[in-house]
Formats: sequence, structure tokens, C-alpha cells
Amino acid sequence: NAGVTQTPKFRVLKTGQSMTLLCAQDMNHEYMYWYRQDPGMGLRLIHYSVGEGTTAKGEVPDGYNVSRLKKQNFLLGLESAAPSQTSVYFCASSYSRAEMTYEQYFGPGTRLTVT
Amino acid sequence: RKEVEQDPGPFNVPEGATVAFNCTYSNSASQSFFWYRQDCRKEPKLLMSVYSSGNEDGRFTAQLNRASQYISLLIRDSKLSDSATYLCVVNIRTGGFKTIFGAGTRLFVKA
Repeated sequence: NAGVTQTPKFRVLKTGQSMTLLCAQDMNHEYMYWYRQDPGMGLRLIHYSVGEGTTAKGEVPDGYNVSRLKKQNFLLGLESAAPSQTSVYFCASSYSRAEMTYEQYFGPGTRLTVT
Repeated sequence: RKEVEQDPGPFNVPEGATVAFNCTYSNSASQSFFWYRQDCRKEPKLLMSVYSSGNEDGRFTAQLNRASQYISLLIRDSKLSDSATYLCVVNIRTGGFKTIFGAGTRLFVKA
């Protein structure tokens, strides 16, 4: 049981390049999330998904797109990277039942630098 | 006012000390509550869920006061390995859901 995994672990991009971050979970969780964390700041929600085929915007969605084609995978895309997107990106997943969400389990993070 | 506010810290305590963190939340529709710990350059990890008035796990005790809208985390007999950032997390039922993370309180335990 690997929990939540993320690839890649590190990446350096040049301004304007695109990339996709992959998150996978093997806990059969319905909900999945993408966060970013910047130095001295808390986690900020980018996008989330409440089930296969559905996505929704979080607090800071601009410049990012997501897809949830399979229940176990949640992809985060940057179409045209900007230096402001330099950050650590965490994926998480959680169980849900009867309109209640439970604790989130996080992946190890992806450290992205945009030059 | 932030929806979830934590003690700003940092807390510097000697080994063996007892330390308490407070967290206040502003939304009365808050439904479930958690404490996570985050080590430097690592992912947050669940420390405790707080679903009722409170619970205890070894040296850690979490309490919830819905009337006053705060939760607390008490760490007894602090260890060097307890040094980390502690995050207060609140799930709010809004028709959908919303999870709010506090900014975290940094704890340094020294020998």
C-alpha cells in the first residue's frame, strides 16, 4: 500500500514551458486535491476533485488545469509556467461519506522551480 | 479575520516540557477538525483527528470547544523529535465542503 505518490519529485522549468504533475493514490479515496505551499505560508488549495470525471476550483486556480480521468489519478497541468509558480506542490486524497470529508493523506510533494 | 488562526510561534521548549497550542476558527458550520505535523521540507502528516469533545493518543491530547470555537493540542514530555510545524485543519460544510489549513505553529524542542 503506497498511499499517495507524486511524480516527479523535482523539476526545473523555463518560463513559458509546460508540464504535468501526476498524483496517484491506492486507497480508493473519492476526493483528491492539489495544494501549493510557499515559504512561510500555509497550504493553498489549487483545484480539487470529488470523484472521477469531476474537478472544481480551489483558492488559487489561475494558471493551472486539472483532470481526473481515473479515480486513482489526479493530474495538475501548467500550460505556460511563470516564476510565480515556483513552489512545492502537494497532492492529497481523502475518504468521504454522507457529505462529510475525513482526514487527508498527502503525497511527498513536487518541488518546482521556474526560471 | 482568517477563518483558522493559530498561535504564531515559534515555541522554544526544553525536553520534557509540556506545551499547548491553540487554534480558533470562525465558521460555525465547521464540521471536523484535525491536527497535522509537518517536518521541514516534508509533507503534512495526520497527527490526530478531533471528532468529538477531544481525544488522547499517548503524549498528545486534542480538545475541541465548539461553543468557543477553538481546538487545542497539548504535548506532554516533549521529545527532540517533536520539533516540527503543527497545522490546525478545519473542514467546513458549505453545501459542498471546504478545508481550511492554519498557517502552522513552529515548535523547537531543545536538549
